Amino acid sequence: AQSVSQHNHHVILSEAASLELGCNYSYGGTVNLFWYVQYPGQHLQLLLKYFSGDPLVKGIKGFEAEFIKSKFSFNLRKPSVQWSDTAEYFCAVNARFSGGYNKLIFGAGTRLAVHP
Amino acid sequence: DAMVIQNPRYQVTQFGKPVTLSCSQTLNHNVMYWYQQKSSQAPKLLFHYYDKDFNNEADTPDNFQSRRPNTSFCFLDIRSPGLGDAAMYLCATRSRTANGYTFGSGTRLTVV
Repeated sequence: AQSVSQHNHHVILSEAASLELGCNYSYGGTVNLFWYVQYPGQHLQLLLKYFSGDPLVKGIKGFEAEFIKSKFSFNLRKPSVQWSDTAEYFCAVNARFSGGYNKLIFGAGTRLAVHP
Repeated sequence: DAMVIQNPRYQVTQFGKPVTLSCSQTLNHNVMYWYQQKSSQAPKLLFHYYDKDFNNEADTPDNFQSRRPNTSFCFLDIRSPGLGDAAMYLCATRSRTANGYTFGSGTRLTVV
């Protein structure tokens, strides 16, 4: 079955520290991968996405992610976090089903707290 | 700007009183989704429409229904809301020919 696993449920960092959030997926078809961010009390916002091509994708706010097909991973990184990066981060995979249906399947999320 | 609009942003309803949440889109996308996101949890797909074709997730309670009268609008009806239905409800759209999803701002439902 299709699934997304995020290894860290809670991460606490100091400002300027580097960030890496793990994401592994289980899906046998063509992979479309996403990272979404949800700031406290707000809606989901797309950080970045991978459809094809260069496996290192750059998103908004200095985030990037690397698709490693052999490891079924799509880890999110940022070299230097800021207090304003405090949020919940969701990894998601687009899964295709017979009949042409598509669904976005989310991981459980990682809650990041950045301390000044 | 083309977008996905959810109304209202906040909805308070009484226990057991039917409530309807709405979603509209100006993207002309043929697929529309409803997700439920409870506090500190991942969004969970309830159902989606592929054009007029309705697809219910196997574990979506019967209490939840949906209507899509035209391409632009989709409604989520909760027939008898319980306290456990308090959540953020997210609408999303997708074009058949594209790979991205567009999310609305969500409706936060409180059941009292």
